[in-house]
Amino acid sequence: QVQLQESGPGLVKPSQTLSLTCTVSGGSISSGSYYWSWIRQPAGKGLEWIGRIYTSGSTNYNPSLKSRVTISVDTSKNQFSLKLSSVTAADTAVYYCASVDSWGFVDYWGQGTLVTVSS
Amino acid sequence: DIQMTQSPSSVSASVGDRVTITCRASQGISSWLAWYQQKPGKAPKLLIYAASSLQSGVPSRFSGSGSGTDFTLTISSLQPEDFATYYCQQANSFLYTFGQGTKLEIK
Repeated sequence: QVQLQESGPGLVKPSQTLSLTCTVSGGSISSGSYYWSWIRQPAGKGLEWIGRIYTSGSTNYNPSLKSRVTISVDTSKNQFSLKLSSVTAADTAVYYCASVDSWGFVDYWGQGTLVTVSS
Repeated sequence: DIQMTQSPSSVSASVGDRVTITCRASQGISSWLAWYQQKPGKAPKLLIYAASSLQSGVPSRFSGSGSGTDFTLTISSLQPEDFATYYCQQANSFLYTFGQGTKLEIK
């Protein structure tokens, strides 16, 4: 069974870049069966899809965040990463990494990591 | 973007009740819909995919139906562990979008 674990700073200053890494275990990130995604959830609010990457490196991003988001994959480490630039308080949220099957459904989730944007 | 609208936003029910949650898409999405359950402080859990297929390990009291723009999640007999927030998600376009959530509370 695939397991995902987010890691990265829990506090980021405004205007800086948020950087998170997701480590995948229990399966190869190169298997080709999944898209690897980032999803976030502000406290007390709903879920917002940030973007996805395929093992080929092709990406799709939420247009509302596209100018600030980069998702990359490191197959040698079985990891994928999120960078979100020019953050503001509105980017404070729990960030989840997840695997999305070929149909577009999220079958495995990381436990989530809270990132707070504050000076 | 495809907008997903759930109703109700919250519902109170008792153990043993039958509960139905609806999700409406702003345009047709065929059967490209999933339902998730989220408990406080936890990641969502996939319950139903492709509108009506039960994810492995999910109790059979959960069922989904619908296609096009209107979908339902039904819990046939509520159990104490079912009190949580439920989200629908469309996968018709790569810009996946979620409903705003339905909080299921104990009456």
